[in-house]
Amino acid sequence: EIVLTQSPATLSLSPGERATLSCRASQSVSSSLAWYQQKPGQAPRLLIYGASTRATGIPARFSGSGSGTDFTLTISSLEPEDFAVYYCQQRSSGSITFGQGTRLEIK
Amino acid sequence: EVQLLESGGGLVQPGGSLRLSCAASGFPFTTYVMSWVRQAPGKGLEWVSTISGSGANTYYTDSVKGRFTISRDNSKDTLYLQMNSLRAEDTAVYYCVMREAAADLAFYCWGQGTLVTVSS
Repeated sequence: EIVLTQSPATLSLSPGERATLSCRASQSVSSSLAWYQQKPGQAPRLLIYGASTRATGIPARFSGSGSGTDFTLTISSLEPEDFAVYYCQQRSSGSITFGQGTRLEIK
Repeated sequence: EVQLLESGGGLVQPGGSLRLSCAASGFPFTTYVMSWVRQAPGKGLEWVSTISGSGANTYYTDSVKGRFTISRDNSKDTLYLQMNSLRAEDTAVYYCVMREAAADLAFYCWGQGTLVTVSS
C-alpha cells in the first residue's frame, strides 16, 4: 500500500498570505494525485486532479505541482473561506489512499 | 446539477448488518464509476469500495473484504453498500462519490454522507 504523508499537520497563517502544503508518497504515483478541501460538517470538495489540473469552478489561487513522490498544493493568497482541512489522495497502486490531512488555520 | 443522496445509516450492534443507498441524479449514472469513502469521527478519509459503470468490476479496501458488498441498480440510478459483520471500527460517515474518468478518476462529486454507528 502506498502511504501518503502530509506536512505540516497544522499550518497557521493569516488572510492574504501564501500557503504551501506538502504531500509525499512512499513510492512513485506518477501524476495520479488529487487534492481535496474539507470544511467542518461538509463533504470534501475536489480541488486538483492529475497533480496540477484545477477542477471545475476552483479559483486560480489554488495550484498543484509535483510528480513521482513529492507534491505541493499552493494557495497564493489566502481568503477567509480557505481555512479548512486539506487531503491528498493517490490512485496509482491497486488500492486508493489518502493522506492524513493538513489543517489550515487562521493565525 | 449532480446530486448524490445517501440513506440507510444508523445505529447497529457489533456483528449486525446495514445497507446504505445512494440515489444519483443529474448525470448519466450508468457511465460513471462510483465509490464509497468513509470518515471516522474526527479522523481522515478512507476509501472503502469502487464499482465500475456496468457493475461487473468491484474493488474493496482490505479491511472490508468479505464483509461489505458494493452494487448498483442502473435502472434506478442507485448505488448500494451492503455491510455485514459490522465492527466498532466501521463507525464513520459514509460518502457516496462519483468518479470522473476525464479527471484521472478523481473523487469528483460527493454526497452529504450518512452516519453509521456500530455500538452495543
